Amino acid sequence: NAGVTQTPKFQVLKTGQSMTLQCAQDMNHEYMSWYRQDPGMGLRLIHYSVGAGITDQGEVPNGYNVSRSTTEDFPLRLLSAAPSQTSVYFCASSYEGEKLFFGSGTQLSVL
Amino acid sequence: SQKIEQNSEALNIQEGKTATLTCNYTNYSPAYLQWYRQDPGRGPVFLLLIRENEKEKRKERLKVTFDTTLKQSLFHITASQPADSATYLCALAGPSGTYKYIFGTGTRLKVLA
Repeated sequence: NAGVTQTPKFQVLKTGQSMTLQCAQDMNHEYMSWYRQDPGMGLRLIHYSVGAGITDQGEVPNGYNVSRSTTEDFPLRLLSAAPSQTSVYFCASSYEGEKLFFGSGTQLSVL
Repeated sequence: SQKIEQNSEALNIQEGKTATLTCNYTNYSPAYLQWYRQDPGRGPVFLLLIRENEKEKRKERLKVTFDTTLKQSLFHITASQPADSATYLCALAGPSGTYKYIFGTGTRLKVLA
């Protein structure tokens, strides 16, 4: 039972490049979400999903896209990376929205 | 707008003492509140959840209180150990939906041997 798996762990992008952060969970959780963590800001919700085919925006959705085609996977796409998107990204899942299980994070630098 | 405040300064305590961390919130009444632990370079780990109709909840050496009148939660670690050193985050279900969590910035705890 791997829990929540995020890849890659580290990534460096140039401004304007696109990429996808992967998140997979093997706990059959309906709820999945993406957060970014910046110094002094705390965790901020980007997007979340309450089941396959259902997504919604969080607090800071601009510049990010998500889709949920399966229960297990919830990828986060950066369409055109900007230096302001330099951050640590965490994926989390839960059974009914409570007790979040977090992945180990992706450290992203945009130059 | 909704706001959560945790003491951003680090808290240093001696081993064996009780650590008390504070989480204050404004502008709305969450259905429940959660506490997480985060170690450097790792994702947060769930510790405790307390609902609005519960005053106190315990788990081993951990205790959480929830005062909806004061809009405050206290997180206690009794008989603290150096292994308890970490950053502790509080999180509230958002006012526009219980799935839209709002996290505090966390309080860094250091337990001195």
